[in-house]
Amino acid sequence: GQSLEQPSEVTAVEGAIVQINCTYQTSGFYGLSWYQQHDGGAPTFLSYNGLDGLEETGRFSSFLSRSDSYGYLLLQELQMKDSASYFCAVKRGNDYKLSFGAGTTVTVRA
Amino acid sequence: EAQVTQNPRYLITVTGKKLTVTCSQNMNHEYMSWYRQDPGLGLRQIYYSMNVEVTDKGDVPEGYKVSRKEKRNFPLILESPSPNQTSLYFCASKDGSARSYTFGSGTRLTVV
Repeated sequence: GQSLEQPSEVTAVEGAIVQINCTYQTSGFYGLSWYQQHDGGAPTFLSYNGLDGLEETGRFSSFLSRSDSYGYLLLQELQMKDSASYFCAVKRGNDYKLSFGAGTTVTVRA
Repeated sequence: EAQVTQNPRYLITVTGKKLTVTCSQNMNHEYMSWYRQDPGLGLRQIYYSMNVEVTDKGDVPEGYKVSRKEKRNFPLILESPSPNQTSLYFCASKDGSARSYTFGSGTRLTVV
């Protein structure tokens, strides 16, 4: 089987930096993705790491360490619109299976 | 506009009454998948399809059926819905080489 662990909630103020950690246990690991979801709407893709290291996309960055089975999403210069749920997801093997963590609810306060 | 379209958005039904949730994508994607989302559990994969007539079980397939007769459509069938299938359902699609999946807007199903 597989498991992904991420914190359930994080609260921060506007302008702050938030790091959401994700640890995983899975066979056939292929890559780690991050998705954002607002209020039960469609999840939207943020980032993907197939190799170790940092991927930067504007205010959001994602990191992967395959040897530690660990990754994180870094949200910088937090804005109110960043209040949402964030999910890490493991791509297993090359068969398009994607397993999600339970999600982290980020609340941004003024 | 490139999108994944699910219908209906909301559905209330009774136990045992067969229903179908439709999913259609206009991006010519090979891969399509169904997920259910429940509080505290994230999104769990129900079934997926790698191409026309090729489907396979995800992590929680019990009580569901799918078909992929055309590339653009991937309906989810509940032959005999039960209250434990009350959930928020998402369809997603992906091009074979792409990193990201495109999700539909979701179908909130209540089985009473």
